[in-house]
Amino acid sequence: AQKITQTQPGMFVQEKEAVTLDCTYDTSDPSYGLFWYKQPSSGEMIFLIYQGSYDQQNATEGRYSLNFQKARKSANLVISASQLGDSAMYFCAMREGLGGGADGLTFGKGTHLIIQP
Amino acid sequence: SQTIHQWPATLVQPVGSPLSLECTVEGTSNPNLYWYRQAAGRGLQLLFYSVGIGQISSEVPQNLSASRPQDRQFILSSKKLLLSDSGFYLCAWGEPGEHEKLFFGSGTQLSVL
Repeated sequence: AQKITQTQPGMFVQEKEAVTLDCTYDTSDPSYGLFWYKQPSSGEMIFLIYQGSYDQQNATEGRYSLNFQKARKSANLVISASQLGDSAMYFCAMREGLGGGADGLTFGKGTHLIIQP
Repeated sequence: SQTIHQWPATLVQPVGSPLSLECTVEGTSNPNLYWYRQAAGRGLQLLFYSVGIGQISSEVPQNLSASRPQDRQFILSSKKLLLSDSGFYLCAWGEPGEHEKLFFGSGTQLSVL
């Protein structure tokens, strides 16, 4: 079974509109971390935002916020006031366990976001 | 500030040739280091990770190997490349700890012909 599911292969959004990128996850570990990365056409993976499973509040970083719904195992990324430069692939990822070991991240298959002028 | 360097950016190699991709991190000590591969149109697959010099863990048995000869240097190698080794390879580092975040290099596009 997939641990990270991103159900939107591609999205077209008008510039300046808000965008919600969906992500659901599957784990039985009570301790985990959720991440979103942006990958522009250049290929580099850019860290956007992080949410720990025990964090009480939704994470925010500038125009990015993470809508964390623990009971639904959902961690949607919200981009406010989208810009042309937001066009990229977006990946949701998870680390199970917060023990500090080098376990790496499990990634979803990504959503290709295109912002239209 | 911390930076990660990965090279080369692109590489075209014949089947059966060796491979060496290098990654170095600056501005931090004792980082966790990772190698990921991204096949076309897919997410990232963890290949190797390292918590220290000479300590390598493999996630997927395959034609590749990794080494960490220095604290901030991580090398991905192969003795004989296969067609299936083609892909986009990304190196990443993280600061060990409970809420470790990974930061990636710019990647190497490898084409095996």
